[in-house]
Amino acid sequence: SQQGEEDPQALSIQEGENATMNCSYKTSINNLQWYRQNSGRGLVHLILIRSNEREKHSGRLRVTLDTSKKSSSLLITASRAADTASYFCATDGNNFNKFYFGSGTKLNVKP
Amino acid sequence: GAVVSQHPSWVICKSGTSVKIECRSLDFQATTMFWYRQFPKQSLMLMATSNEGSKATYEQGVEKDKFLINHASLTLSTLTVTSAHPEDSSFYICSARDLQSGLDNYGYTFGSGTRLTVV
Repeated sequence: SQQGEEDPQALSIQEGENATMNCSYKTSINNLQWYRQNSGRGLVHLILIRSNEREKHSGRLRVTLDTSKKSSSLLITASRAADTASYFCATDGNNFNKFYFGSGTKLNVKP
Repeated sequence: GAVVSQHPSWVICKSGTSVKIECRSLDFQATTMFWYRQFPKQSLMLMATSNEGSKATYEQGVEKDKFLINHASLTLSTLTVTSAHPEDSSFYICSARDLQSGLDNYGYTFGSGTRLTVV
């Protein structure tokens, strides 16, 4: 990818379990965003975390950011079948106007 | 909320022809729009930044003569794939930023994408 890697590449869990996805990036950033993409569709913005923040919550989502390790994680708690999608992190590489995407994690939540 | 409309959602064209994809910001003005392409099961690759009233800036390795970008108004950017070949088949997605949106969301809204198949 242009900016970083995500792991795992694919994750399969049962409904109700938690899903954790990790993102590593290469350059310094102003902020990091997580997006969701259903198969063959556009992207939906989930959450943004600034470089001076360490953790952020939004509903069942929890995002952490460790700028010293250039990594972030996305936790989805109490997963649902409808959470099945690909999840991407995106960083601005210190340029507020551009976003580069990680390689993505394909999440499958089995009912 | 901010909406970005992308058209067409899919297109099939013959090799050697050109295809135009439109990206419109429906309820906000966007001085800057972005074009990405995505191969199957891969991530999004930023192709270029479309700037209203000026030339687009292209990422390294992207042929500007191949992928023509025009941003003639504050609500419309177009990507034209010229002399398309089968290797240009991909999913193309645009995004735009609503400057009026709050800081917690820098306001990047994505279009629903265009599936281009060149035969």
